[in-house]
Amino acid sequence: AQKVTQAQTEISVVEKEDVTLDCVYETRDTTYYLFWYKQPPSGELVFLIRRNSFDEQNEISGRYSWNFQKSTSSFNFTITASQVVDSAVYFCALTGRGAQKLVFGQGTRLTINP
Amino acid sequence: DADVTQTPRNRITKTGKRIMLECSQTKGHDRMYWYRQDPGLGLRLIYYSFDVKDINKGEISDGYSVSRQAQAKFSLSLESAIPNQTALYFCATSDSGDRGPNQPQHFGDGTRLSIL
Repeated sequence: AQKVTQAQTEISVVEKEDVTLDCVYETRDTTYYLFWYKQPPSGELVFLIRRNSFDEQNEISGRYSWNFQKSTSSFNFTITASQVVDSAVYFCALTGRGAQKLVFGQGTRLTINP
Repeated sequence: DADVTQTPRNRITKTGKRIMLECSQTKGHDRMYWYRQDPGLGLRLIYYSFDVKDINKGEISDGYSVSRQAQAKFSLSLESAIPNQTALYFCATSDSGDRGPNQPQHFGDGTRLSIL
């Protein structure tokens, strides 16, 4: 069975601090895909990134970066120089090849205080 | 206009009532999904459909049914609503096309459902 664990239920930091959201996953599939979604206070779910299991390159997109490590089954998300607009619930999710059934973590509520 | 539209956005109803949540999409995706979100539990898959004639149960399908009336429409029904079905419901779509497997799912804005 597949499982995603986001151990940090809530994080609160002051604006401009860097913050890392942890994601640990379990799967028996050799090919799988990991995702991060953002849910701002308005409620919609916004896709942020997809990562394939065979591509362990880290990715940076502006202030966002993702660190994928198969050895520790982790796919962590770092926001550099956080801003108030980054306040949201962030979900990590996992799917195996072909199934497209996303398994979500419990989510981490991130609050950026001015 | 939103690519994935859910109606209604909010609904309050009583125990025992039949409720239908609608989802329509203009993205041209073949795959559609229904999830529910509960505090502290993330999103859980209720049903999914890979094509008009394809319906599959997800993690928590009991008490729900779905209908894929057309490629662009996927509705979720609660035949006899109960209070523990109070949740935020999301519809999502994805594309099985030629851009590689496991394309990201794109979500509607959600339907907040309260069963009294």
